[in-house]
Amino acid sequence: EDQVTQSPEALRLQEGESSSLNCSYTVSGLRGLFWYRQDPGKGPEFLFTLYSAGEEKEKERLKATLTKKESFLHITAPKPEDSATYLCAVQALTQGGSEKLVFGKGTKLTVNP
Amino acid sequence: EAQVTQNPRYLITVTGKKLTVTCSQNMNHEYMSWYRQDPGLGLRQIYYSMNVEVTDKGDVPEGYKVSRKEKRNFPLILESPSPNQTSLYFCASSPLRRSSYEQYFGPGTRLTVT
Repeated sequence: EDQVTQSPEALRLQEGESSSLNCSYTVSGLRGLFWYRQDPGKGPEFLFTLYSAGEEKEKERLKATLTKKESFLHITAPKPEDSATYLCAVQALTQGGSEKLVFGKGTKLTVNP
Repeated sequence: EAQVTQNPRYLITVTGKKLTVTCSQNMNHEYMSWYRQDPGLGLRQIYYSMNVEVTDKGDVPEGYKVSRKEKRNFPLILESPSPNQTSLYFCASSPLRRSSYEQYFGPGTRLTVT
C-alpha cells in the first residue's frame, strides 16, 4: 500500500531558528514528490515538485531535497509568516495504470516572534 | 485571474437530502480531483478525472458521485448524505504534463450533515 509519513506532526520554532521537516514514502513507481503549504481554512498552495533523488529546489527561506526514500523541507531563519501546515504528497502509479496523488498528514509549523 | 472556484463555501444539511457541490476552473486543465480533509486523517482523494467523460475512484469514493461533462466543471454529488460525510472538501485541478500534479486548489467547502 502506498504510504506517505510526515514528521514531526507539529513543530514550534523561534523566529530565526532553522529546522527541517521530514516526509518518508513507500510507493510503487514514484512519479514525483510535491510540497504544499496550507493556511488554516484555506486550500493547499503548491510549493515544490521533485522528481529524482538528489534533486533540490529553493524558494525564499525554503529548500526541498529528495532521496530515494524521503524528502526534507529545510526552513532557514523562519519568520512568523512561515507558520502553516506543510503537506507532502507523492504521485503514484495505480494498478490500473492511472496515477493518483497520496498526501501525508502534514506538519504544523508555528514560528514564534 | 486563474482560479478554482467552489460553491457553496459552507453548507449545513440533513441526512438523506441530496446535494451537489460545484467546482469550476478557468485554466483549461485536463485533470480535476476532489478531496476531503478530516482532522488526524489528512487529505484523502475521493474521485479524480483525467479528462472529459473520464473519471476514476480515489481512496474514499463510497457515498459520492462525480461527472465530467465539460472540461471546466467537476461537480461532487452526495445522493444521500450521512453524518460521516461531515468534512472540509477541496476541489483541485492541474494540467496533464510532466508536472501534472502541481495542483491548484479551490478555497474549500465546509459541509455539515446532521
